[in-house]
Amino acid sequence: QKEVEQNSGPLSVPEGAIASLNCTYSDRVSQSFFWYRQYSGKSPELIMSIYSNGDKEDGRFTAQLNKASQYVSLLIRDSQPSDSATYLCAVKTGNNRKLIWGLGTSLAVNP
Amino acid sequence: DVKVTQSSRYLVKRTGEKVFLECVQDMDHENMFWYRQDPGLGLRLIYFSYDVKMKEKGDIPEGYSVSREKKERFSLILESASTNQTSMYLCASTPGGGALPQYFGPGTRLTVT
Repeated sequence: QKEVEQNSGPLSVPEGAIASLNCTYSDRVSQSFFWYRQYSGKSPELIMSIYSNGDKEDGRFTAQLNKASQYVSLLIRDSQPSDSATYLCAVKTGNNRKLIWGLGTSLAVNP
Repeated sequence: DVKVTQSSRYLVKRTGEKVFLECVQDMDHENMFWYRQDPGLGLRLIYFSYDVKMKEKGDIPEGYSVSREKKERFSLILESASTNQTSMYLCASTPGGGALPQYFGPGTRLTVT
């Protein structure tokens, strides 16, 4: 059974701090990794895609991938109250068209 | 920008009714997906389609069927709605074959009474 695991949270950080969200996956041949943000009552919105080991930065967001340890993380710098949401990790394995989803981590940024 | 639209934001139906949820994407994507999302259970794949008239069952297909007559449109059908099908339904699409992410529509909150 291929799995993607995330801490459910809630993760609570003060405004301006760095929020660190983690995701581990079970299938070693996983190739593509995605972070989505989902506000309450809304649909998931893509934040970051990462495909190779290392860091990928986009504005205040940094995705980190370590295939040897089978984890991918998302760092949010200078966290804002508007970042309060659930963050979903998704993984694509091999030629499979489907994504395997984590259950999400709830983030609360406190003013 | 990718645009995925769903026919209704909110829908209320009665037990036993036949329900149609429609999804349209404007980016010529080969793959389209239907999920439902429930608190504590995450996103669960119902069906997906990788080409016109082609479909595959996801993890929870029971009680649902799908139709894809045109590339841009993917419909989810609840043959006889039941209260346990009350949920948020999400449609997504992605280009074929590659490693690209899925893009979601706004979702339909379905309540079956």
